[in-house]
Amino acid sequence: EVQLVESGGGLVKPGGSLRLSCAASGFTFSSYSMNWVRQAPGKGLEWVSSISSSSSYIYYADSVKGRFTISRDNAKNSLYLQMNSLRAEDTAVYYCARVNIVATIGSYYFDYWGQGTLVTVSS
Amino acid sequence: SSELTQDPAVSVALGQTVRITCQGDSLRSYYASWYQQKPGQAPVLVIYGKNNRPSGIPDRFSGSSSGNTASLTITGAQAEDEADYYCNSRDSSGNHLGWVFGGGTKLTVL
Repeated sequence: EVQLVESGGGLVKPGGSLRLSCAASGFTFSSYSMNWVRQAPGKGLEWVSSISSSSSYIYYADSVKGRFTISRDNAKNSLYLQMNSLRAEDTAVYYCARVNIVATIGSYYFDYWGQGTLVTVSS
Repeated sequence: SSELTQDPAVSVALGQTVRITCQGDSLRSYYASWYQQKPGQAPVLVIYGKNNRPSGIPDRFSGSSSGNTASLTITGAQAEDEADYYCNSRDSSGNHLGWVFGGGTKLTVL
């Protein structure tokens, strides 16, 4: 059974830092691209960042570029999100999600999601 | 970056058919995927690719696309289908490469 379990959320002051983790199990973690997606309270889903299976390709949403860093440790089956210079607008539930790709037909989708971890940025 | 546009809210009578749409330039290049989210829960994939359902998703859920518009259709809506629905696609507009979500559609089953 595929499982994704996020941790590391909490309350942090504006300008502070936080590191989120996502522990993966039930599949060959090193074979899949992974993403972080967030959802502010009462709002919709927002893609945050993605990392390819071997960490060769990394992308960020404009809203977090330069402040957040995605990384992974395939030996530990873990995904990370280092968040620096946090702002009130970064307050959200952060989900990790596995990406499945059928590139030949242009099909990219998030087939498994964790339950999320809440990050609150407030003084 | 690209945007995906969804109607904020849609309602359907119990047992009737409802279509939820998603528009955006990225849909000309990539298939949309659709996610159902109920309050306090993580999103769940319901449709991906041309019209594929993950295991466990009822066959009353179907997807289609034409040009820059993707649609999620629920044929014979049930009370348990009341939820928020989000479309999503790959985004490769300009120098940007990533993913984009629609704003979500709140489905009410009457």
